Amino acid sequence: EAGVAQSPRYKIIEKRQSVAFWCNPISGHATLYWYQQILGQGPKLLIQFQNNGVVDDSQLPKDRFSAERLKGVDSTLKIQPAKLEDSAVYLCASSLDRGVPYEQYFGPGTRLTVT
Amino acid sequence: AQTVTQSQPEMSVQEAETVTLSCTYDTSESDYYLFWYKQPPSRQMILVIRQEAYKQQNATENRFSVNFQKAAKSFSLKISDSQLGDAAMYFCAYRSARKVPGTASKLTFGTGTRLQVTL
Repeated sequence: EAGVAQSPRYKIIEKRQSVAFWCNPISGHATLYWYQQILGQGPKLLIQFQNNGVVDDSQLPKDRFSAERLKGVDSTLKIQPAKLEDSAVYLCASSLDRGVPYEQYFGPGTRLTVT
Repeated sequence: AQTVTQSQPEMSVQEAETVTLSCTYDTSESDYYLFWYKQPPSRQMILVIRQEAYKQQNATENRFSVNFQKAAKSFSLKISDSQLGDAAMYFCAYRSARKVPGTASKLTFGTGTRLQVTL
């Protein structure tokens, strides 16, 4: 079974530029999560999708971050314009909607550096 | 809101020895799940062990076991017979067990403990 795929693995941009990350969840997983992990901290949920609907985006800085999950499969997270404090690892995870306790499987992450 | 605290930024253990990583959490809920994740330098979060709050028996997975103290809100991880491959960041995480449709099932993580394994 293929795992959660993410690309790119690394990205370096200047502040005020835009960037996009892509995630392809495990086949059949209805729920998809984007987490932000700042150096020295644990991951923090940015947004959760169930199929192509948003379940929780309360921690997403909506003035600069956006995310979509068209057709309920893969997802894109965008930052525009980027700030220095957006430097972090962006992790994507997916889970089934059945089977307690909806174990989350993580991708390898994208390390973003904003200069 | 739930919080997870890991008070040990770094720990070191000799190969073949045993080490215990600490985690405390705060919640007003009675039904929830607790997890330990391992994050090696490759950055991929790997589930090590899971504990359901309604179960009194401590979870075990091969060399990994937990000491779950629900009243004290404590959830420590014990690694026995440590191996070089155990070196990584370890994160304790909490998830609500509420089953309300459309409710977020997000994980709340602690700040992590970096485990070094020496020869």
